[in-house]
Amino acid sequence: EADIYQTPRYLVIGTGKKITLECSQTMGHDKMYWYQQDPGMELHLIHYSYGVNSTEKGDLSSESTVSRIRTEHFPLTLESARPSHTSQYLCASCSGLSREKLFFGSGTQLSVL
Amino acid sequence: GESVGLHLPTLSVQEGDNSIINCAYSNSASDYFIWYKQESGKGPQFIIDIRSNMDKRQGQRVTVLLNKTVKHLSLQIAATQPGDSAVYFCAENIERGQAGTALIFGKGTTLSVSS
Repeated sequence: EADIYQTPRYLVIGTGKKITLECSQTMGHDKMYWYQQDPGMELHLIHYSYGVNSTEKGDLSSESTVSRIRTEHFPLTLESARPSHTSQYLCASCSGLSREKLFFGSGTQLSVL
Repeated sequence: GESVGLHLPTLSVQEGDNSIINCAYSNSASDYFIWYKQESGKGPQFIIDIRSNMDKRQGQRVTVLLNKTVKHLSLQIAATQPGDSAVYFCAENIERGQAGTALIFGKGTTLSVSS
């Protein structure tokens, strides 16, 4: 059982609001990732981090930003949410080895009205 | 661009049958592949992985086959059970230079198992 947690589980907000999606893992993993997934579709990598103070953009352009101040914490922020941001956001982590399976959180389902 | 795709969006089987889910990948340099299972409302869950120096790997009721010649990956589930109903994704590990590696996912196959 992976120890990676995402909050909130569901979030409904109005357009223009600033939001932060939380992701924490207790496994001491160096690598953390954010994926975006629309219903029934594949996961798209939007951000990842290889350690503290390291962040990289993924393949899918995203208006969100991330930070990695602590190993266990990798929050994702939207400064001004829009309906086009409505989606599921999945956080994942893995150890420092280059080829490792990712452990996923349960996701945050975001709805922007 | 690089992509990992699945041949069929849905697969329906009877309980007890064997299921085969296919995946085609495009990056011949990929050397590590994973199958994930995602149940409704949950994050993806690891099923089995395989490195490119292998053709086959077996787990409990699952087998992954890798054909590097045609860049094809398949997941076989023996004696499929209703609890196997989920969306299945294949993913390949892509090198990103100094940024290391990241998993790229295919589109997913929804497996429905009827009793």
